Amino acid sequence: QSALTQPRSVSGSPGQSVTISCTGTSSDVGGYNYVSWYQQYPGKAPKLMIYDVTKRPSGVPERLSGSKSGNMASLTISGLQAEDEADYYCCSYAGTYTWVFGGGTKLTVL
Amino acid sequence: EVQLLESGGGLVQPGGSLRLSCAASGFTFRSFAMSWARQAPGEGLEWVSSISTDGLRTYYADSVQGRFTIFRDNSKNTLDLQINSLRVEDTAVYYCAQRSVSGSFYFNFWGQGTLVTVSS
Repeated sequence: QSALTQPRSVSGSPGQSVTISCTGTSSDVGGYNYVSWYQQYPGKAPKLMIYDVTKRPSGVPERLSGSKSGNMASLTISGLQAEDEADYYCCSYAGTYTWVFGGGTKLTVL
Repeated sequence: EVQLLESGGGLVQPGGSLRLSCAASGFTFRSFAMSWARQAPGEGLEWVSSISTDGLRTYYADSVQGRFTIFRDNSKNTLDLQINSLRVEDTAVYYCAQRSVSGSFYFNFWGQGTLVTVSS
């Protein structure tokens, strides 16, 4: 149950696009199409933003998109806005009703 | 509106015990599997434990196996986590989360969390 690998931080200017990577193994990210992404503001609860690799819950802007290739998943945020500044965590199902999270990525909107 | 309200956190000495509780409302509690996750200060999220809709199947992270026990009471819409033999490294905000419906594996909604501090 080792944590997924995410960059500690990414940044971009308003209107630009950023991509956050999430690297796992064939036992988690590569083995299942059950990657999810969560947004967390400081001191707040995580919020689901992407599930099943590419799906967005109702209310999540289309600017956010997810993808996966092999053992790596990615979250892309296009048209960056100030409100996107937050921590983002990837999560993968790892079999037998267990999950593994990434270490989190701090997104800074310059 | 889905609401998950955790309670029971506090300061405890190493080796001590606590029981965390999560009160659920705004959805049919018995129809959803539930989970606990935690976040150490300044650190990332860590999945801790999950329980099936009927409470008969439970699952734990290796780091807490044998020390933590997850329970649910579908008549009271509550989810509990009994945490024993606490270690300094168990210090974290503990979150209750509603799991996705059967057929997928993600966490729909999260509570605001309850802080557990393990220190002498």
